[in-house]
Amino acid sequence: KQEVTQIPAALSVPEGENLVLNCSFTDSAIYNLQWFRQDPGKGLTSLLLIQSSQREQTSGRLNASLDKSSGRSTLYIAASQPGDSATYLCAVREDTGTASKLTFGTGTRLQVTL
Amino acid sequence: KAGVTQTPRYLIKTRGQQVTLSCSPISGHRSVSWYQQTPGQGLQFLFEYFSETQRNKGNFPGRFSGRQFSNSRSEMNVSTLELGDSALYLCASGTLAGNYEQYFGPGTRLTVT
Repeated sequence: KQEVTQIPAALSVPEGENLVLNCSFTDSAIYNLQWFRQDPGKGLTSLLLIQSSQREQTSGRLNASLDKSSGRSTLYIAASQPGDSATYLCAVREDTGTASKLTFGTGTRLQVTL
Repeated sequence: KAGVTQTPRYLIKTRGQQVTLSCSPISGHRSVSWYQQTPGQGLQFLFEYFSETQRNKGNFPGRFSGRQFSNSRSEMNVSTLELGDSALYLCASGTLAGNYEQYFGPGTRLTVT
């Protein structure tokens, strides 16, 4: 059974700092990994998707990497801003044909302070 | 292109009642998935539909059911509501081709009293 872990559970940083969020998964037979952002009481916003054959994806100040063999992904946020404050979730889609679900981590709650 | 829409956004029900939630996917998306999010269990997969057929089901009791219509809109139903069913119910749509990226709606907040 796939298990996804995110460390740290919570993080508080001053504005302008670069930061790294970690995600690990137990079964490396994944199809892709997706990073999401969730604001309190809201739905999920897709940030980046990395296919299993890719090593990284970038969008603006965000960079996500994937090391499938070791079961790890990181989300790098450059020059953090107060508007980045949210919960960040990673999710993996397994590569077993019919297992077409996302398995989510428990998230990292990020607070960027002025 | 309009995003995933879910109705209603908020719902308060009493134990023992039943509830139906609705999800309209992004135009052109034929896959719809449902997830339950609670503070204790996080995000858990309920089921996925594609072209009106359930493709996959999570580990939830039979009180949770769903369906998909020919226009890809989906509904999920929870019968005999329990206090523990209070949660944010999220719907996601996507395609089963390409990168399988999932797009989520704003969710329906269900409170069972």
